[in-house]
Amino acid sequence: DAKTTQPTSMDCAEGRAANLPCNHSTISGNEYVYWYRQIHSQGPQYIIHGLKNNETNEMASLIITEDRKSSTLILPHATLRDTAVYYCIVRVAGTSYDKVIFGPGTSLSVIP
Amino acid sequence: DGGITQSPKYLFRKEGQNVTLSCEQNLNHDAMYWYRQDPGQGLRLIYYSQIVNDFQKGDIAEGYSVSREKKESFPLTVTSAQKNPTAFYLCAVGTFANYGYTFGSGTRLTVV
Repeated sequence: DAKTTQPTSMDCAEGRAANLPCNHSTISGNEYVYWYRQIHSQGPQYIIHGLKNNETNEMASLIITEDRKSSTLILPHATLRDTAVYYCIVRVAGTSYDKVIFGPGTSLSVIP
Repeated sequence: DGGITQSPKYLFRKEGQNVTLSCEQNLNHDAMYWYRQDPGQGLRLIYYSQIVNDFQKGDIAEGYSVSREKKESFPLTVTSAQKNPTAFYLCAVGTFANYGYTFGSGTRLTVV
């Protein structure tokens, strides 16, 4: 699986958009970008994933650059409950086991 | 927790004792995983199982043991051979065929 690089930490004002970047310059053509988040002392929770088109769901939007070497997770109106660690993962979609790397992620603090 | 139950939530162990962490799922997934998380770090894979009666070592299996006698259950035993067992332990199930892994709420183990 391709490795990802994320900033260690970010701050965001409550009510503003939080934009979390992720670099994955060695991503392969069949690898998806997945985002998870982990609220303190809980298990990680799936947010969104995509291959090359931008994706949106009720939680967030995912913007993937045309060359697919980076992506941005957007939380459109951050709330205090969005304070968490956000993980960016790239891997092939499928049922077979491949090592999944959950790195240190980005610690997002939403400030009142 | 989407059908995954980890118990207990908090566990205290004396040095030299073995302890077993429980992970039960009703999501009908074949694949189950155990991760360890230390403060400020990502997740490291301890063991995984893709089918009943079969399991594989992950990156940090030393000092741990598992069994997979039932599809629903994947208990993790932290043995006295694990030198630094104090950590947050997460169980996960599923594959990346769709949304990736579903995680339990975790067990926080402290050696006293």
